[in-house]
Amino acid sequence: GAGVSQTPSNKVTEKGKYVELRCDPISGHTALYWYRQSLGQGPEFLIYFQGTGAADDSGLPNDRFFAVRPEGSVSTLKIQRTERGDSAVYLCASSPTGQGTKTGELFFGEGSRLTVL
Amino acid sequence: QQPVQSPQAVILREGEDAVINCSSSKALYSVHWYRQKHGEAPVFLMILLKGGEQKGHEKISASFNEKKQQSSLYLTASQLSYSGTYFCGIYQGGSEKLVFGKGTKLTVNP
Repeated sequence: GAGVSQTPSNKVTEKGKYVELRCDPISGHTALYWYRQSLGQGPEFLIYFQGTGAADDSGLPNDRFFAVRPEGSVSTLKIQRTERGDSAVYLCASSPTGQGTKTGELFFGEGSRLTVL
Repeated sequence: QQPVQSPQAVILREGEDAVINCSSSKALYSVHWYRQKHGEAPVFLMILLKGGEQKGHEKISASFNEKKQQSSLYLTASQLSYSGTYFCGIYQGGSEKLVFGKGTKLTVNP
């Protein structure tokens, strides 16, 4: 079956521009996560959705970052006024239930590589 | 809060064994292990839960010492396909957030 799909796979933008990154989770998975991975580092938590609501957005670095999941399926991560330090691979993961982190498995997508020039 | 992984990198010949360690300064509820190949998604290997339960997909074994807040991943009779970067992620309770270590790069040569 289809896994977690992320688009675009690569995005190059200029400093100050706005970008949107999309995540299509595995069908039926209620939990969705965004992580950010910089070169040579492990994934860093950004935000977690259970259904349509953001249950934990404590990892968002500042108010330039925002994410939505309006229908409880596809999610979009939005970054305003991009900065060079935002360059990273943005990973999306999904889980069948809201216990994916506590007791189970996260299914990751291949990520969207963002480069801010 | 980030767990510390050791070693940072290891090179093996096919058939050799390796141990990757993960330690935390805080109490853990569970430890997760993922493997990521270059340019690919992290793939779940195993979760170790407080109380001794383990769940995993592959013939990989691991241990979880709750008192010491440490976990170790044991790779025996390594295969070429084991190459990649291994991450431990720790869950400390509260929200659904995993905190990952910086990773251990494993290279298996023929």
